[in-house]
Amino acid sequence: RKEVEQDPGPFNVPEGATVAFNCTYSNSASQSFFWYRQDCRKEPKLLMSVYSSGNEDGRFTAQLNRASQYISLLIRDSKLSDSATYLCVVKGYQKVTFGTGTKLQVIP
Amino acid sequence: DGGITQSPKYLFRKEGQNVTLSCEQNLNHDAMYWYRQDPGQGLRLIYYSQIVNDFQKGDIAEGYSVSREKKESFPLTVTSAQKNPTAFYLCASTPWGGRDNNSPLHFGNGTRLTVT
Repeated sequence: RKEVEQDPGPFNVPEGATVAFNCTYSNSASQSFFWYRQDCRKEPKLLMSVYSSGNEDGRFTAQLNRASQYISLLIRDSKLSDSATYLCVVKGYQKVTFGTGTKLQVIP
Repeated sequence: DGGITQSPKYLFRKEGQNVTLSCEQNLNHDAMYWYRQDPGQGLRLIYYSQIVNDFQKGDIAEGYSVSREKKESFPLTVTSAQKNPTAFYLCASTPWGGRDNNSPLHFGNGTRLTVT
């Protein structure tokens, strides 16, 4: 089983749609969790940290469920500029592991 | 401005040659990482280091070597033993220890290596 698993997509959604991405991790001792965004041929950029209490940043909401070892990202009112690959990241005691990423394409 | 710098941005080498990719950070971060990314794929961990003079193999360390002689620097050497070295290489850093374990990774801009 992979340490961090994501649905690779692609997710093709119309502008204004709500889209949700999911991620599961295998190591129950994992310490912190993040969502990154990566545009084509660029380095990943931090989108937001993920907490058990849930956190929201504008149109983006992230949630962590430690019992199910599951992380989610919700994007509301999708914009064309949201088109990118979204990476789930898990920071353990030593390693930092990335999911393979979920590709989002927002269509006019 | 604090940041993490990778150089060069593009690198071309002939097969059979070793090549070293530079990564420097002035963020005073303890931990540094090297990842490899192939087209359409995710990031795979090559090596990481949490303190000076110590480093650990990641998931795909074969054919690579690193050093960590200074806190600021974590160069990666792609040796001739690496079977498919052409890829996008990303260096990252993060604080480590205690509450710093909740800090995210900061990335350099990456080095795109082409070996022919």
